[in-house]
Amino acid sequence: QSVLTQPPSVSAAPGQKVTISCSGSSSNIGNNYVSWYQQLPGAAPKLLIYDNTKRPSGIPDRFSGSKSGTSATLGITGLQTGDEADYYCETWDSGLSAGRVFGGGTKLTVL
Amino acid sequence: QVQLQESGPGLVKPSGTLSLICGVSAGTISSNWWSWVRQSPGKGLEWIGEIYYSGTTKYNPSLKSRVTISIDESKNQFSLRLSSVTAADTAIYYCARSAHVLVGTAIMSWLDPWGQGIRVTVSS
Repeated sequence: QSVLTQPPSVSAAPGQKVTISCSGSSSNIGNNYVSWYQQLPGAAPKLLIYDNTKRPSGIPDRFSGSKSGTSATLGITGLQTGDEADYYCETWDSGLSAGRVFGGGTKLTVL
Repeated sequence: QVQLQESGPGLVKPSGTLSLICGVSAGTISSNWWSWVRQSPGKGLEWIGEIYYSGTTKYNPSLKSRVTISIDESKNQFSLRLSSVTAADTAIYYCARSAHVLVGTAIMSWLDPWGQGIRVTVSS
């Protein structure tokens, strides 16, 4: 059971928009910044969003992040078949068991 | 652009110790945190722990009793040792450069870049 809760799967058609949610608590998302990772099939995860909303160099602006309270959201617009991947949220948990925590991951299918 | 590469045995016997090395190239291991993350077959990501170049460590509480992460600045590499392994430790192990920065009362954290990963199987 992951500390952060994500939907197991989402799907949408090419060209459409999709959002992926990540729910936590006051000890993690509520008081710290969130990052998002994309893991293409058979590949290592890649940083997609950091500091809730920022994109590393080379990440297209089709990808966006937001945070409100104890939840965060990853948005992807103009979906492409190459976006089919697993997506993970991550943050720091400042509670008794302090450390880095991940969501369980969301599989995106582009129909 | 910093690059990371995991190396080590792909097969470890039950009750044995898993030992992996992460080599850092095109950059220095100094002045950064470095993490280990694993992914069991068909499962999500699990943070194992991380180390600062000075040697300070932070571990996942669920693995802390079995994990040791160390760093060798002279070789620009850091290592993972996981003792008393069982089949549940079978996974792809990734190393990554990590950051966690305190900004006011909030922590910024991210992992970038990642190594390609190494598959480790625990079996007799």
